[in-house]
Amino acid sequence: EAGVAQSPRYKIIEKRQSVAFWCNPISGHATLYWYQQILGQGPKLLIQFQNNGVVDDSQLPKDRFSAERLKGVDSTLKIQPAKLEDSAVYLCASSRVGQSTDTQYFGPGTRLTVL
Amino acid sequence: AQSVTQLGSHVSVSEGALVLLRCNYSSSVPPYLFWYVQYPNQGLQLLLKYTTGATLVKGINGFEAEFKKSETSFHLTKPSAHMSDAAEYFCAVSDPGGAQKLVFGQGTRLTINP
Repeated sequence: EAGVAQSPRYKIIEKRQSVAFWCNPISGHATLYWYQQILGQGPKLLIQFQNNGVVDDSQLPKDRFSAERLKGVDSTLKIQPAKLEDSAVYLCASSRVGQSTDTQYFGPGTRLTVL
Repeated sequence: AQSVTQLGSHVSVSEGALVLLRCNYSSSVPPYLFWYVQYPNQGLQLLLKYTTGATLVKGINGFEAEFKKSETSFHLTKPSAHMSDAAEYFCAVSDPGGAQKLVFGQGTRLTINP
């Protein structure tokens, strides 16, 4: 079974530029998560999708971050414009149904550096 | 609000020694508890989880953890460390029932000395 795929693996941009990350979850997984992991910290949930609907986006900085999951499969996370403090690893995860007992499967992440 | 505290951002043990990584949580109800491992340049991988039932949980790679409600703890242990155990370990909590929302601790980097 293929795991969660993410691209690109690394991205370097200047502040005020825009950037987009892509995630392909495990086939058949209904729930998809985007996390932000700042160096030295644990992952922080940004947004959670159930199929193509948003379950939780309470910690997503909506003035600059946006995410979509068209057709309930792939997802993109966009930052526009980027700030220095957005430098982090962006992790995508998926789970079968999103219940509290589920296991989340994580992709390798995209490391973003904002100069 | 839930929170997780991992005591010790760095832990160093000798190969063959006991591994003990500490995790304490704060939650208004007994939560579900998880330990994840992150190897360099990789995503997180589930080691083990406690939801209900037996409070001593066994996971992959010889790790286990015990849920102690009275101490609000979920410490991770392994009797004998291997060089391959060197990684970052994260404890996480989630409210029981409903949609899963993981709250992670800050992580503990485990170093194994030969």
